[in-house]
This record gives sequence, structure tokens and C-alpha cells, in this order.
Amino acid sequence: GDSVTQMEGPVTLSEEAFLTINCTYTATGYPSLFWYVQYPGEGLQLLLKATKADDKGSNKGFEATYRKETTSFHLEKGSVQVSDSAVYFCATGAGNNRKLIWGLGTSLAVNP
Amino acid sequence: DGGITQSPKYLFRKEGQNVTLSCEQNLNHDAMYWYRQDPGQGLRLIYYSHIVNDFQKGDIAEGYSVSREKKESFPLTVTSAQKNPTAFYLCASSTSGSINNQPQHFGDGTRLSIL
Repeated sequence: GDSVTQMEGPVTLSEEAFLTINCTYTATGYPSLFWYVQYPGEGLQLLLKATKADDKGSNKGFEATYRKETTSFHLEKGSVQVSDSAVYFCATGAGNNRKLIWGLGTSLAVNP
Repeated sequence: DGGITQSPKYLFRKEGQNVTLSCEQNLNHDAMYWYRQDPGQGLRLIYYSHIVNDFQKGDIAEGYSVSREKKESFPLTVTSAQKNPTAFYLCASSTSGSINNQPQHFGDGTRLSIL
């Protein structure tokens, strides 16, 4: 069945370091791909999305490119800040019933 | 501002008691969802509804019930049959339209604990 696999955390980085959080998916068809962010004690916020192969989603310095050949949607940021500390979730809109398939989340801690 | 409002933010349940979590949205979204979040387990879908007066079980519906009498509202009842209800509960909504392309918008969650 459809699934999303994220790299396990926690990920700990120093401020201004480069961030990559890996996400791969299995799905039939051509699903949309999403990254969400969850700050402590809050709900999830959509960070970026891509709807077709080779699309690049970007927001707040984060980027992810929809790679159909590798079924991946890795999240990257060139220079992280302490305020980026949060849990990041990858999700796909696979399936024909408007449900999202979620990864387990990757916790990021950025130290000053 | 449009958005999703969940209440209360914190809720305590006594043994054998049913409790209801509120979720209201003013985004004019057709679809609404309830998730449960436990540490290290990501999001698990409890129930979802794509249209008023209709809803479907998600992956972990046992011990929960919902109603969808109005487009704006999708309350979740945690019944006494749910033996491990302590968790963070998230409500979400999305538009209709292209089935696989719509992101979900989330409320700020309700944290439920057992007394």
C-alpha cells in the first residue's frame, strides 16, 4: 500500500548549518507531496508542497523537489536558525479518498 | 481570519466518562479529519468526513465517535470504551476538488489526559 518513510530523528544541528531531512514515498499514480512543520504544543502548519514531478516547493528558506525517478521529496535548508527547531512531517496525497499518508515525523533541534 | 478552532486546549477525563472535543472551521471546507498524535508515532487517522451528514472510520476508530451535522463543525467524542485516551488530538480540514492535491489545515490541538 501507499506509504511515506522519513529519516529518523532527532536531528541536532548548530545554527547556520545545512539541513536535509529525507523523505521517500510509495504510491500509485501521481500524488501531491507535502511538508508540514509542528512547533511545540501546536498543530501542524503546511510548510511547502509540490503537485507534479520536478516541481520544487519552497517557503521560509526551505525547499523540496518532487523526484519521481527516486520517489523522494527531501527537505533542505541552507542555513538553519534556532527558530526552525520543530518536528517536520512528510505526507503524500496518495490514494483516491482524500486522505493523507503521513511519515512519522523528524524532530529537529538547532543550537545557537 | 479564517481558520480552525479546537476547544478546549486541555481536557481531563475521569474513568468511565465520555468527553467531547470541539472542532469548528470557517474556511468553508468540505472535508474534515480527526487525528491522534502520540510521541514517536506520528499522526493516526481516527475519523474523516468529506461532506455533511457523512463520515468514515479511519485507522483507529474504536472507542471514538463523531458527527457531522453542519459543514463547520466536526466534534469528536472519546468514549469510555477507549482505554488509552491520553494523547494530543488534532482536527484538520481541506477543500474538495482534485482528490490528491489539497493540503490539510490544522487546529492547535486538544491535549486529553486521564484523571
